Amino acid sequence: NAGVTQTPKFQVLKTGQSMTLQCAQDMNHEYMSWYRQDPGMGLRLIHYSVGAGITDQGEVPNGYNVSRSTTEDFPLRLLSAAPSQTSVYFCATRKVNNSPLHFGNGTRLTVT
Amino acid sequence: DAKTTQPPSMDCAEGRAANLPCNHSTISGNEYVYWYRQIHSQGPQYIIHGLKNNETNEMASLIITEDRKSSTLILPHATLRDTAVYYCIVNNYGQNFVFGPGTRLSVLP
Repeated sequence: NAGVTQTPKFQVLKTGQSMTLQCAQDMNHEYMSWYRQDPGMGLRLIHYSVGAGITDQGEVPNGYNVSRSTTEDFPLRLLSAAPSQTSVYFCATRKVNNSPLHFGNGTRLTVT
Repeated sequence: DAKTTQPPSMDCAEGRAANLPCNHSTISGNEYVYWYRQIHSQGPQYIIHGLKNNETNEMASLIITEDRKSSTLILPHATLRDTAVYYCIVNNYGQNFVFGPGTRLSVLP
């Protein structure tokens, strides 16, 4: 039982490049979400999903796309990276009840 | 916006109890109180949660006032490894978790 797995751990992009941050979970959690955390700041919600085929925007969705084709995976896509997207990205999941949110170990992204 | 208010920082001597307060005066009847902590830039770690009764697990105790407008997270014997940012969050399923700035706890030798 690996929990929430994020790949890659580190990534450096040039402005305008695209990439996908991967998030996979093996806990059969219905809810999955992406947060970003900038230095010295709290976590801000980017996008979330309450089940396969359903996604919605969080607090800071601009510049990011998501899809949820399976229960296990929730990839986050940056179509054209910008320096403002330099951040640490966390994936988090939970079951469909009042249960805790489980976090991955994060992806540290630098856009130059 | 976060629905909770926490002090920005606190110190605690190693081996002593760390008592971290949280105000959530607008909490609704079906919202739970959750506590997380984040060490350096690791993913936030779940500590404990509760609705209205006090809760205890192997990591900490959670004391919720009778009117549910505030709570206290207690680390009974703080160690240097408990130095972290602690987040208090109120949440009901159907809502997203909103993280505020939290309390930076420094455990001093």
